[in-house]
Amino acid sequence: GAGVSQSPSNKVTEKGKDVELRCDPISGHTALYWYRQSLGQGLEFLIYFQGNSAPDKSGLPSDRFSAERTGGSVSTLTIQRTQQEDSAVYLCASSTLEGLGLSEQYFGPGTRLTVT
Amino acid sequence: SQQGEEDPQALSIQEGENATMNCSYKTSINNLQWYRQNSGRGLVHLILIRSNEREKHSGRLRVTLDTSKKSSSLLITASRAADTASYFCAYLSGNTPLVFGKGTRLSVIA
Repeated sequence: GAGVSQSPSNKVTEKGKDVELRCDPISGHTALYWYRQSLGQGLEFLIYFQGNSAPDKSGLPSDRFSAERTGGSVSTLTIQRTQQEDSAVYLCASSTLEGLGLSEQYFGPGTRLTVT
Repeated sequence: SQQGEEDPQALSIQEGENATMNCSYKTSINNLQWYRQNSGRGLVHLILIRSNEREKHSGRLRVTLDTSKKSSSLLITASRAADTASYFCAYLSGNTPLVFGKGTRLSVIA
């Protein structure tokens, strides 16, 4: 079946512009996660959605970052007024009802964001 | 920081040799998972070991968990060039999301 998809695969934007990154999780997965990975680094947790519960936003680095999940499926991560330090690969993952890492997470291919 | 740490940061071996990577963490855990990442893109889940388990196998992979030492190891036997990738451990502690380490970069030379 289809895995997690993300779009765009690459995004180059100018400093100060807003960007939207999209994630389509695996159908039926109720948990959705966003991570950020800078070059040669591990994954930095950003935000987590589980069903209809309020999202866990504890990892968002600043108020320029926001995310929403419409209809319990597709999610959009928005970065406003992008800065060069926002350049990274943004990874989305989904998992089954257990969520929170109790079960394995399925990752999308990521969006490579470059802020010039 | 609660971030896990993999050791070594980088490992280079010949094809056919075994590769061992270690992961240390700082808190009590519910489970620990290992993931592989090729070319800096999406991660692929390899194996999950629960806190009450000590060893788990999957094909050429063997994972051990020592909760008293707060450490885990991933062994890849009879390595192949296709095993070249970065390997991350990730663990679940309480109700926090998975905490990922910085990874071990494995190079398998044919």
